Amino acid sequence: EDQVTQSPEALRLQEGESSSLNCSYTVSGLRGLFWYRQDPGKGPEFLFTLYSAGEEKEKERLKATLTKKESFLHITAPKPEDSATYLCAVRFMNRDDKIIFGKGTRLHILP
Amino acid sequence: EPEVTQTPSHQVTQMGQEVILRCVPISNHLYFYWYRQILGQKVEFLVSFYNNEISEKSEIFDDQFSVERPDGSNFTLKIRSTKLEDSAMYFCASSTGGNYGYTFGSGTRLTVV
Repeated sequence: EDQVTQSPEALRLQEGESSSLNCSYTVSGLRGLFWYRQDPGKGPEFLFTLYSAGEEKEKERLKATLTKKESFLHITAPKPEDSATYLCAVRFMNRDDKIIFGKGTRLHILP
Repeated sequence: EPEVTQTPSHQVTQMGQEVILRCVPISNHLYFYWYRQILGQKVEFLVSFYNNEISEKSEIFDDQFSVERPDGSNFTLKIRSTKLEDSAMYFCASSTGGNYGYTFGSGTRLTVV
């Protein structure tokens, strides 16, 4: 069965302490990998789409990378306002248009 | 920036009652979705809708659920006879299709008592 697994489940960092979140997937064919940010009680907010191995996207302190079996979301010098749950989602080949989410990584940045 | 609008933001209903959750997708989007998130769990796919018909649905989306796009702008999710386990955040999303990301609404928190 196709799966999306995110690690760690939760991460606490000091302000300015860089780190990476992981999203791995088992899939017969990938059409796209998406990163979202979700604040408590809110809907997922789109961050990035990655399509092929080797691709990278950046936005402010965030950089997403993609390999054949996993993606990383790198957070450089985070600030408290980066605290949120970061969700990875994957669209598979031959699965119409739906995307499947991982459980997310809860990130807490301490001032 | 265009956004997906959902109403109401919070709905409390008695078990066995019907509820309708409403969504206004982004106007030039062609694909529409409903997802749900039970408290503390992951975001789960319910149904996708394109060209006025369901294109895919999950096992969760049983005969108690239905979707409709009644007037070309609204997109609704109806639960015919709510159960306690239907309590969750329900998110509507829309996209232009292809490999673009979905835009999600802020959600409706459904509480079944």
